[in-house]
Amino acid sequence: EAGVAQSPRYKIIEKRQSVAFWCNPISGHATLYWYQQILGQGPKLLIQFQNNGVVDDSQLPKDRFSAERLKGVDSTLKIQPAKLEDSAVYLCASSQGSRGAYEQYFGPGTRLTVT
Amino acid sequence: QKEVEQDPGPLSVPEGAIVSLNCTYSNSAFQYFMWYRQYSRKGPELLMYTYSSGNKEDGRFTAQVDKSSKYISLFIRDSQPSDSATYLCAMILTGGGNKLTFGTGTQLKVEL
Repeated sequence: EAGVAQSPRYKIIEKRQSVAFWCNPISGHATLYWYQQILGQGPKLLIQFQNNGVVDDSQLPKDRFSAERLKGVDSTLKIQPAKLEDSAVYLCASSQGSRGAYEQYFGPGTRLTVT
Repeated sequence: QKEVEQDPGPLSVPEGAIVSLNCTYSNSAFQYFMWYRQYSRKGPELLMYTYSSGNKEDGRFTAQVDKSSKYISLFIRDSQPSDSATYLCAMILTGGGNKLTFGTGTQLKVEL
């Protein structure tokens, strides 16, 4: 079974530029999550999708971050414009459904550096 | 005060040692408890989960939950160099939309 795929793996941009990350979850997984992991911290949930609907985006900085999962499969997370404090690893995870949220499968992450 | 507190380490032990990793939490509504392992430059992977007080064993790993003290632990027996990683505790609130709240992670190094 293929795992969660993410691209790119690394990205370096200047502040005020825009960037987009892509995630393809495990086949059949209805729930998709985007996390932000700052160095030395645990992952923090940014947004959770159930199929193509948003379940929780309470910690997503909506003035600069946006995410979509148009067909209920893959997803993109965008930052525009980026700030220095957005430097982090962006992790995508998926689970079979909301009841299996404890069993989330994570991708390798995209390491973003904002200079 | 953070909802979930975890000693960041780093923790360095010799091969074969018993390792104890711990988390405390402040919200008694946390009902599901997980331990994730994260190797460098990789995503976290689920090691164990439990929802009741007491012990749960899986091979060399034992997860312990004490809801009355709001304290969870992960024990690793006969630690191996391949166990060197960051260990993250995580919790889910009952009725909280199944959102995982993570600790900050404890970095473990098992030396030969």
